[in-house]
Amino acid sequence: EDQVTQSPEALRLQEGESSSLNCSYTVSGLRGLFWYRQDPGKGPEFLFTLYSAGEEKEKERLKATLTKKESFLHITAPKPEDSATYLCAVEPPGRRALTFGSGTRLQVQP
Amino acid sequence: EPEVTQTPSHQVTQMGQEVILRCVPISNHLYFYWYRQILGQKVEFLVSFYNNEISEKSEIFDDQFSVERPDGSNFTLKIRSTKLEDSAMYFCASSETSANEQFFGPGTRLTVL
Repeated sequence: EDQVTQSPEALRLQEGESSSLNCSYTVSGLRGLFWYRQDPGKGPEFLFTLYSAGEEKEKERLKATLTKKESFLHITAPKPEDSATYLCAVEPPGRRALTFGSGTRLQVQP
Repeated sequence: EPEVTQTPSHQVTQMGQEVILRCVPISNHLYFYWYRQILGQKVEFLVSFYNNEISEKSEIFDDQFSVERPDGSNFTLKIRSTKLEDSAMYFCASSETSANEQFFGPGTRLTVL
C-alpha cells in the first residue's frame, strides 16, 4: 500500500527563521510528487511537481527537492503569510489518484 | 487566472437525503476529480472522470455516490442517501492532461444531521 508520511506534524517558526519540512513515501515507480499549500477551510493550492530524484523547484521563499525516498520543502526566511498547512501527495504509476500525507501545520510568528 | 469553482460553499442536510455538489472545472481541462477531507484527517481520493466516464474510483466511492458531467462546464457529485459519516469537505479538482498537476476548488462543506 502506498504510504506518505509528513514530519513534523506542526512547526512554529519565528519570522526569518529558515527550516525544512519532510515528506517520505513508499511508492514503487513514483510518477510524480506534489506539494500543496492549504489554508484553513480552503482547498489545496498547487505549489510544485517533482518527477525524478535530484530535481529541485523554487518559488519565492520555497524550494522543493526530491530523493528516491523523500522530499523536502525548504522555507527560507519565512513570513507570517507563509503560515498554512503544507501537504505532500504522490501519484503512483498508472493512476491519477493522489495519495496525500497528513500535512505539516506551519505557524510563522512575527 | 482560471480557477476551479464549487457550489454551494456549505450544505446542510438530513441523514437519508440526497445531495448534489457542483463544480465548474478550469475550462480547457479534460480530467476531473473528487476528493474529500473529513475534519482533521487526510485528503482522500474518491473518483476520477475522463471522456464522460469514470476512469478510477476508490473503495469509498460506493453505490451511493455518482458523478456526472451534465453539460460542457459542470461536473457534479451526487450522494443518494447521506449518512452522518459523509460529513466532510468535498473538493473538486481538474487537470489539463493525465500528466499534469491537479488544481483544486475551494470545497463544499457537507454537514449531515
